[in-house]
Amino acid sequence: TQLLEQSPQFLSIQEGENLTVYCNSSSVFSSLQWYRQEPGEGPVLLVTVVTGGEVKKLKRLTFQFGDARKDSSLHITAAQPGDTGLYLCAGVNSNYQLIWGAGTKLIIKP
Amino acid sequence: DAGVIQSPRHEVTEMGQEVTLRCKPISGHDYLFWYRQTMMRGLELLIYFNNNVPIDDSGMPEDRFSAKMPNASFSTLKIQPSEPRDSAVYFCASSLALIGVGETQYFGPGTRLLVL
Repeated sequence: TQLLEQSPQFLSIQEGENLTVYCNSSSVFSSLQWYRQEPGEGPVLLVTVVTGGEVKKLKRLTFQFGDARKDSSLHITAAQPGDTGLYLCAGVNSNYQLIWGAGTKLIIKP
Repeated sequence: DAGVIQSPRHEVTEMGQEVTLRCKPISGHDYLFWYRQTMMRGLELLIYFNNNVPIDDSGMPEDRFSAKMPNASFSTLKIQPSEPRDSAVYFCASSLALIGVGETQYFGPGTRLLVL
């Protein structure tokens, strides 16, 4: 069974601080996606990383795919209250199925 | 486009009652997915359809759950009889193709189900 472990499960920090969320697995994924989910809504895709070692930036968010394509990280610089939400990673396996992490609930306090 | 539409947004029912959740995917999307999200288990894929045909229902919890897609613009997820442990948020998502490079699943707003 493929698993994707996400950490931390919960993070509450002050506005302006930096943070990193991790997704780890013993399985290799063909690609990995990061989603953000706000209360009362469905997950929304932020980014897809495909190549081992790939780094993608989305404003203050930096996404990295591990060299072996088994892990990924999301780094937020100078977090803002608008970044508050549930962040989910999902790995794409060889059957084109999404394997979901449990999520990181992020709260940015003003 | 209006995005994926789900109804109802909230449903409260009593144990033993039948529950029907509805989904309208984005027009032109060939794939439709039903997910369940709980605090304990996170996001779980229940079933997905390709061109209205169920492809993988291995995530359906038990025979009390059934899903249909009578046409390209409508799908239902039915629970009969419902139980308190079915309480969760149920999401419908659609996509043009299976997840791969550059492909995206678009999620609806979800149906929050509470079974008393």
